[in-house]
Amino acid sequence: EVQLLESGGGLVQPGGSLRLSCAASGFTFGSYAMTWVRQAPGKGLDWVSVISASAGTTYYADSVKGRFTISRDNSKNTLYLQMNSLRAEDTAVYYCAKGDLYSSIDYWGQGTLVTVSA
Amino acid sequence: EIVMTQSPATLSVSPGERATLSCRASQSVSSNLAWLQQKPGQAPRLLIYGASTRATGIPARFSGSGSGTEFTLTISSLQSEDFAVYYCQQYNDWPRTFGQGTKVEIK
Repeated sequence: EVQLLESGGGLVQPGGSLRLSCAASGFTFGSYAMTWVRQAPGKGLDWVSVISASAGTTYYADSVKGRFTISRDNSKNTLYLQMNSLRAEDTAVYYCAKGDLYSSIDYWGQGTLVTVSA
Repeated sequence: EIVMTQSPATLSVSPGERATLSCRASQSVSSNLAWLQQKPGQAPRLLIYGASTRATGIPARFSGSGSGTEFTLTISSLQSEDFAVYYCQQYNDWPRTFGQGTKVEIK
């Protein structure tokens, strides 16, 4: 059974940093691209970033480019999202998801809430 | 970026009835289109990928059609567990984009 467990969310002040983690199990992590998607409270889904299986390719939404960095450790079956220079508009539930690049996302984690507020 | 537009915003349907949801892309996404279901307080779940292929474990009452810029999700006979928000997503171009969602509510 595919499981994706996000952690690292919380309350942070504007301009601060946070690192999210996503622990994966139930599939061969190192064989799949991985994606981060976020959802602001009461709003729709907003794609953030994707990383290839080998970590050789990454893409970012313009809204986070230069501030967020996606990475992965295939030896630990873990995906990361380093978020710097956080803004109020980054407040959202952040979902880790399996897949993308050459196929659709097929599994989603339960999400972790990031709140950016003074 | 490709803009995904879903209609209607809200669909009121009685249990057992058919529901038809639409998704339009501002430019062609070929068949690289997914449909997702999200219930309150839950993560999204993949229903359809490749515009028309049901994901693992998805009941046959869900079907997808279309290609290019016009797509449809049909729920043939709504069950109580199907009342939710549905999103389309294109994965043909960067950045990936989602529609704004269609809420399917009980009539």
